Formats: sequence, C-alpha cells, structure tokens
Amino acid sequence: KAGVTQTPRYLIKTRGQQVTLSCSPISGHRSVSWYQQTPGQGLQFLFEYFSETQRNKGNFPGRFSGRQFSNSRSEMNVSTLELGDSALYLCASSGSYEQYFGPGTRLTVT
Amino acid sequence: GIQVEQSPPDLILQEGANSTLRCNFSDSVNNLQWFHQNPWGQLINLFYIPSGTKQNGRLSATTVATERYSLLYISSSQTTDSGVYFCAVVLSSGSARQLTFGSGTQLTVLP
Repeated sequence: KAGVTQTPRYLIKTRGQQVTLSCSPISGHRSVSWYQQTPGQGLQFLFEYFSETQRNKGNFPGRFSGRQFSNSRSEMNVSTLELGDSALYLCASSGSYEQYFGPGTRLTVT
Repeated sequence: GIQVEQSPPDLILQEGANSTLRCNFSDSVNNLQWFHQNPWGQLINLFYIPSGTKQNGRLSATTVATERYSLLYISSSQTTDSGVYFCAVVLSSGSARQLTFGSGTQLTVLP
C-alpha cells in the first residue's frame, strides 16, 4: 500500500505571497491532518479533515486554511505569507486511530 | 490543553548501549504514538501504544495509561538510531484525532 505523499517537497516563496500544499493520504483513509514544525514551537496541529469536513482546528490565524476533496486528498493554503511561516509542513493520514505521516513540505519564506 | 513532557531532552550514547526515553502526559488519552524523525524530516511510526507493552526488534514500548506515562526502550543502539524521538497523544474526549506532541528527545549514538 502506498504511503502518504506530499507535494511539493520544497518551496521558496516571498513574503506577502500565498502558497498551496497538497497531501494524498493512504488509500482508504478518510482523515487527513496537517501539522507545522518549527524549531521554536515544535510540532503544532493545524487542522483535521474527515469526509470533506473540517473536524478540528488548531490555534493558527485565518491565513491558514484547508480543504479536502471527495477522494480524501487535501490541500492547505497559506495566504499573505510571513517570515515566521517558514517551517516543515507535515500531513498525516488515518484510517482509525493510528496516524501515518508524509515526508513533508519544507517552506521557506524570504 | 493536554501537556506532554519528554525526557531527557538530549541523550548521547556509545554504540551498543541501551536507553530509555520517557513520555509523561497530563490527561487521559486514547491514542499514544512514538515516532522517529529521520534527517529529512519524515516522522516514522515506531509504536501505536495507548496501553500495554509492544516489541519490535531492538525497540520496545510500554504505556501505563492509569499513571499517564509511556517508555520507549532502545537496546543495543546503532548509529542509525540517531535522530529525534517524539511521543504524541490524542485526548480521550472528542472524536477528532489531534495529536499533541512532546518536545522530543534528541538521541545521538556514537560509533
């Protein structure tokens, strides 16, 4: 069974731009969660989608948004990028309780 | 919110040594996972262990849910074991699957 895939793997953007990241979960998994990892804040939960509905949201500003499609693939969008948005963004896929992570997208904002 | 504390924050071992990593959590959980983060950033699943004991090769884990802690044991460590180990939990309340992570243990295994 193929694992969780994320695209792109690396991204460099300029402050003020917006970015869209993509995540394809393990086949059959309906839950997709997103996490941000920074050296200062560690791993923090962004949001979770289940059957195209946002089920939970972390403590991030409204510039961070996401969606899930009928095939369970998910995208997250960050608008008006700030330098502090530079981070590793990880997507997790879950069929029951155990969560499996993708390789991440490393975003650098200059 | 739930607090997850990992200890020690840093651990340096000689190859072949054994180690124990600890994870304390402040509330009842229905999911506890241990991960190893590889040098490229991916989180590799080690154990899904909300309670009880599991073993996988040189690694084993024990979670005592009633006392709110989990232990990860690494025996006969190898240089490839180096990296950051994270414990993460999901609160028992609610249906969402939000993982709350500890701050990790940075393990360095010297040849």
